[in-house]
Amino acid sequence: GAVVSQHPSRVICKSGTSVKIECRSLDFQATTMFWYRQFPKQSLMLMATSNEGSKATYEQGVEKDKFLINHASLTLSTLTVTSAHPEDSSFYICSARTGRPGTIYFGEGSWLTVV
Amino acid sequence: AQTVTQSQPEMSVQEAETVTLSCTYDTSESDYYLFWYKQPPSRQMILVIRQEAYKQQNATENRFSVNFQKAAKSFSLKISDSQLGDAAMYFCAYRSAKGAQKLVFGQGTRLTINP
Repeated sequence: GAVVSQHPSRVICKSGTSVKIECRSLDFQATTMFWYRQFPKQSLMLMATSNEGSKATYEQGVEKDKFLINHASLTLSTLTVTSAHPEDSSFYICSARTGRPGTIYFGEGSWLTVV
Repeated sequence: AQTVTQSQPEMSVQEAETVTLSCTYDTSESDYYLFWYKQPPSRQMILVIRQEAYKQQNATENRFSVNFQKAAKSFSLKISDSQLGDAAMYFCAYRSAKGAQKLVFGQGTRLTINP
């Protein structure tokens, strides 16, 4: 099946710094990618939807200036957490959709710890 | 906006027995998809089963089957011959057939398999 790779799988950063998480579709072109955040023992919360070459669409309540999403190519989307704070510590998962109606594939997720 | 509700935060079943996980959803759309995802401790999202709303026949995948009641907006997952490896969080998800086709997840059900 199709593969979506997320990197890094775990990252620790200092408070106030920025950190970037990459999401790559390895064997297909993803016209749309999605970024989720998952708090402990909770469900996946959609943060934003990104389409290649256009601005991301953020869900209500998600700070677009804090969580910068770039979908520069059909195989790569990045999430940058700017000026990270300890409350940004979480598990972040991306997913990518093939064509239409398409199938959605998930990355392995990334653990972010802000100290 | 669409919503997905899983009313069972936790379920347990004896190994080799059958268990049913409940899911209801709310939508005004007629064309959509429903999914069950499994999330083991690794946090990788694994697609268990998928149902197209236009299909009356319930989807089955080996030991996994669904009971799709479109009028009642109900989508339960039945796991037969439960195995220790089935222990995980299970998420019910809705996806519109139009627009961005983002996944909307329920709160999740933690399934424990008792040996």
